[in-house]
Amino acid sequence: GAVVSQHPSWVICKSGTSVKIECRSLDFQATTMFWYRQFPKQSLMLMATSNEGSKATYEQGVEKDKFLINHASLTLSTLTVTSAHPEDSSFYICSAQQYLASVGETQYFGPGTRLLVL
Amino acid sequence: AQSVAQPEDQVNVAEGNPLTVKCTYSVSGNPYLFWYVQYPNRGLQFLLKYITGDNLVKGSYGFEAEFNKSQTSFHLKKPSALVSDSALYFCAVIGAAGNKLTFGGGTRVLVKP
Repeated sequence: GAVVSQHPSWVICKSGTSVKIECRSLDFQATTMFWYRQFPKQSLMLMATSNEGSKATYEQGVEKDKFLINHASLTLSTLTVTSAHPEDSSFYICSAQQYLASVGETQYFGPGTRLLVL
Repeated sequence: AQSVAQPEDQVNVAEGNPLTVKCTYSVSGNPYLFWYVQYPNRGLQFLLKYITGDNLVKGSYGFEAEFNKSQTSFHLKKPSALVSDSALYFCAVIGAAGNKLTFGGGTRVLVKP
């Protein structure tokens, strides 16, 4: 149980184009999902918290107009990198939060999406 | 503000030997503590978590971690390491008031045959 998928697993795009990344919780419903960014050999940096049916909450320094987040259902959140530039190249990882009465809340992570902007 | 420190960038251990990955934390209130493992070009896999109760938590793949409140530590341990345990390990914490994970910098584990 608690499987999270991401699509695509990798994408190469030209500078100025937009890229959409999907995050799905496959076997549970998640009212809250998170989007992280990871630079090479570094830890994860939280970009935003995605709440089903409401606006995402962005971390300080993350441009909400640059990184559009939509959480339209309890199993799907999308991150759109708008007008991508080479500095947006990174590894993007989502997580979905599952709540169980026995263990509380736990985040389960997707496999990540590697974005390369040329 | 909450924070997590993993003092070792890398840990080398021979296969079959005990493995310990260190983690200390700082948070207001009672912490929720997590360990995740990341293999190359992959997302994070959940290993174990501490919420309350027994200080020794057992998780996946034979890993366990011990919560020590006085030392604000949550070290990850495995009695006998395998070559396949070679990966990047992250400790993370959530304060009681929120739901955001704060990650440590990660520790790369290399298990040599």
